[in-house]
Amino acid sequence: TQLLEQSPQFLSIQEGENLTVYCNSSSVFSSLQWYRQEPGEGPVLLVTVVTGGEVKKLKRLTFQFGDARKDSSLHITAAQPGDTGLYLCAGARDYKLSFGAGTTVTVRA
Amino acid sequence: GAVVSQHPSRVICKSGTSVKIECRSLDFQATTMFWYRQFPKKSLMLMATSNEGSKATYEQGVEKDKFLINHASLTLSTLTVTSAHPEDSSFYICSAREERETCNEQFFGPGTRLTVL
Repeated sequence: TQLLEQSPQFLSIQEGENLTVYCNSSSVFSSLQWYRQEPGEGPVLLVTVVTGGEVKKLKRLTFQFGDARKDSSLHITAAQPGDTGLYLCAGARDYKLSFGAGTTVTVRA
Repeated sequence: GAVVSQHPSRVICKSGTSVKIECRSLDFQATTMFWYRQFPKKSLMLMATSNEGSKATYEQGVEKDKFLINHASLTLSTLTVTSAHPEDSSFYICSAREERETCNEQFFGPGTRLTVL
């Protein structure tokens, strides 16, 4: 059983469209991280959110941490083919990370 | 900064052999390193937590005699898959947590693809 539920599992959109990936849990985390992973490579950290209600922006990516620190979302504005990849959320407790199942995003040119 | 390397990146071996994978933090000291396993199109599953100078802590269901972990220094942890079998074939990824890091951020290596014939 996944501690973190990610949705959707797959997302295929046209270049220029927006998308949102959700990460939900019944558990509270001290922080939550979002990673992007390319095939055959390790995950690359995109952002860490720590405070409930926190919103962080990274160019066209907006990350939000829920008020209760149980859920998070990743929103991409005007997606580009370079945004294609596997997006993983991970909740931190006691220095350990629990990963969601991942969302495979495909942006078509 | 915060670069983690893994070696080798890919290994193919015969059933019954042992394979050692190295994980190094290149520009910081890592008191804690983690070893994950990832199956195709699946998420990362934590196998064990490796602390410098002490025994590794294994997750439930992971055989410690099968997956030997050594964390000899603040920049190096090794995972040895002993007597590997085809079902051990997987993508193994390590991560490292910086000593002064308080946000629980982990930095991941590029992974090692193990194929056991």
